[in-house]
Amino acid sequence: DAGVIQSPRHEVTEMGQEVTLRCKPISGHNSLFWYRQTMMRGLELLIYFNNNVPIDDSGMPEDRFSAKMPNASFSTLKIQPSEPRDSAVYFCASSFGRTTAIYGYTFGSGTRLTVV
Amino acid sequence: DQQVKQNSPSLSVQEGRISILNCDYTNSMFDYFLWYKKYPAEGPTFLISISSIKDKNEDGRFTVFLNKSAKHLSLHIVPSQPGDSAVYFCAALGTGTASKLTFGTGTRLQVTL
Repeated sequence: DAGVIQSPRHEVTEMGQEVTLRCKPISGHNSLFWYRQTMMRGLELLIYFNNNVPIDDSGMPEDRFSAKMPNASFSTLKIQPSEPRDSAVYFCASSFGRTTAIYGYTFGSGTRLTVV
Repeated sequence: DQQVKQNSPSLSVQEGRISILNCDYTNSMFDYFLWYKKYPAEGPTFLISISSIKDKNEDGRFTVFLNKSAKHLSLHIVPSQPGDSAVYFCAALGTGTASKLTFGTGTRLQVTL
């Protein structure tokens, strides 16, 4: 298994531009999570999906952020318009519900976003 | 409101000695606790977990201790090795069917020669 695949690995964009981050979870996993890593807040949950349905989006910072999961093998996190304070590393993770969550999610390698 | 807290942003330990990383939580509804390890430019990887009905879980050089009354857990690494240098995140899983993990801010461990 190739693990959780995120693209791009690095993204540099200008303030005001739209940014789309992509994630392919592990095949068979039914839960998908988007996290953001910052120095101040550590790993912060933005949104998670169960069976492609958004369950908890309370961590999405504001309306500029949106996430979709059109099918079990693909999810996107979009920021429009982007701002410098969005600069962070964004991680996607997947699990098979609570069963594998107890033994740890599988994380992707992350997308380092820089907004200038 | 940080429900899982790691108050030490960094820790430096000599090779061969014990590393102790600490974590505090505020929510009594957490029933599993996990530790993740993260190297630069990589995603976090699962290290060890403990159920809230236990007070200790051991896996090789890694031991996690849980003190429910104090809402505190710690990760002990004995002996510490240079390859253990990484950022360690504490995480907690709520009760019920939810699979959402709440993470702390991380502690950067540096193991020196």
